[in-house]
Amino acid sequence: QKEVEQDPGPLSVPEGAIVSLNCTYSNSAFQYFMWYRQYSRKGPELLMYTYSSGNKEDGRFTAQVDKSSKYISLFIRDSQPSDSATYLCAMSPQNFGNEKLTFGTGTRLTIIP
Amino acid sequence: SAVISQKPSRDICQRGTSLTIQCQVDSQVTMMFWYRQQPGQSLTLIATANQGSEATYESGFVIDKFPISRPNLTFSTLTVSNMSPEDSSIYLCSVGIYREQFFGPGTRLTVL
Repeated sequence: QKEVEQDPGPLSVPEGAIVSLNCTYSNSAFQYFMWYRQYSRKGPELLMYTYSSGNKEDGRFTAQVDKSSKYISLFIRDSQPSDSATYLCAMSPQNFGNEKLTFGTGTRLTIIP
Repeated sequence: SAVISQKPSRDICQRGTSLTIQCQVDSQVTMMFWYRQQPGQSLTLIATANQGSEATYESGFVIDKFPISRPNLTFSTLTVSNMSPEDSSIYLCSVGIYREQFFGPGTRLTVL
């Protein structure tokens, strides 16, 4: 069993829709949770990170963590064509700046104008 | 933040040859990481490189196949040795700064 599971998609939604992206994990040691966005032929860029269970909001993006269920989500409101990318969840046991990150496979998202 | 560049951006190589990938950062960092991103698979850590010490390899990756150098705090190289088609992948370096990990643009390697 993989430590982090993520539906690879692809996922296509119309512009303006709410997008929900999810990951599950099996390792209870994971305490820091991140979402990266990766455009085609680019490196991943950090969107958000969270530590505790609950919600964290940043503009149109909301990250949600449920440690009891080992489940994390990223919601994108008012989706735009520029949001079309692959979204990767990542996790680590401690402060993730200098820690190994464990990634999901990524969900490929397309926003249809 | 950090600006990371990688060279080459892409390459096509023959089986049995080696390729060295360079990673340059615009600021001094303690730790640099090398990841592999194979089609349809998650980013997988190959090794962690500290300046002045031997790289630490993850399970399934060995120094003879992926030798790493870290001569200073802004630069690292990863060599993919004795390549086979299974090594075709995107190779990414990353650096940790405070609570964030920044990634380079990647090197797209195709082995024929």
